[in-house]
Amino acid sequence: DSGVTQTPKHLITATGQRVTLRCSPRSGDLSVYWYQQSLDQGLQFLIQYYNGEERAKGNILERFSAQQFPDLHSELNLSSLELGDSALYFCASSVSGTTNYGYTFGSGTRLTVV
Amino acid sequence: DQQVKQNSPSLSVQEGRISILNCDYTNSMFDYFLWYKKYPAEGPTFLISISSIKDKNEDGRFTVFLNKSAKHLSLHIVPSQPGDSAVYFCAASANLGGGADGLTFGKGTHLIIQP
Repeated sequence: DSGVTQTPKHLITATGQRVTLRCSPRSGDLSVYWYQQSLDQGLQFLIQYYNGEERAKGNILERFSAQQFPDLHSELNLSSLELGDSALYFCASSVSGTTNYGYTFGSGTRLTVV
Repeated sequence: DQQVKQNSPSLSVQEGRISILNCDYTNSMFDYFLWYKKYPAEGPTFLISISSIKDKNEDGRFTVFLNKSAKHLSLHIVPSQPGDSAVYFCAASANLGGGADGLTFGKGTHLIIQP
């Protein structure tokens, strides 16, 4: 157990729908990152939050949004889902906003859009 | 445009021998490089990192070498053990300032340790 909790572990939904993925960071970590891993891609950085504020954006689609709450948990909202959104979505956390010592990843949410 | 490339999708090595995983990058702004290991059904686990001001970093059986002029880094595992069988991701970081950070990952190399 890495200490980063992601729920749900699996999600199956239809095209056009909206889903919310949840992440609880490791205790004491202020920064949360979201990544997408598609079948033929490596891990793609989506977005970073630090202590409730958006810090960096990567390849995040406009249909996707995220937020970090006062208790530091984060949610990734995916809307108007398409078949191509099927992927593993990972959340990671770190104490500060730097990656120099590596993040701690959760075990991911597998999203299947049918 | 892939900024971090791992050209070998898989690598098979005999137990006890050295495993060498390679990674190339194109972005000169990258100033930190990391290796992650991933088992099936788990998230990636941080292994080792190296700053762009160094050319080598060692941690137990794992050593990372950085050749900035060639924009190439490699991870050496010696001796290789069965538990090392996993997918290894190379990642790079460019300091975006203000504490903003996001890693650029390669597509991974599946290392298989043969008994």
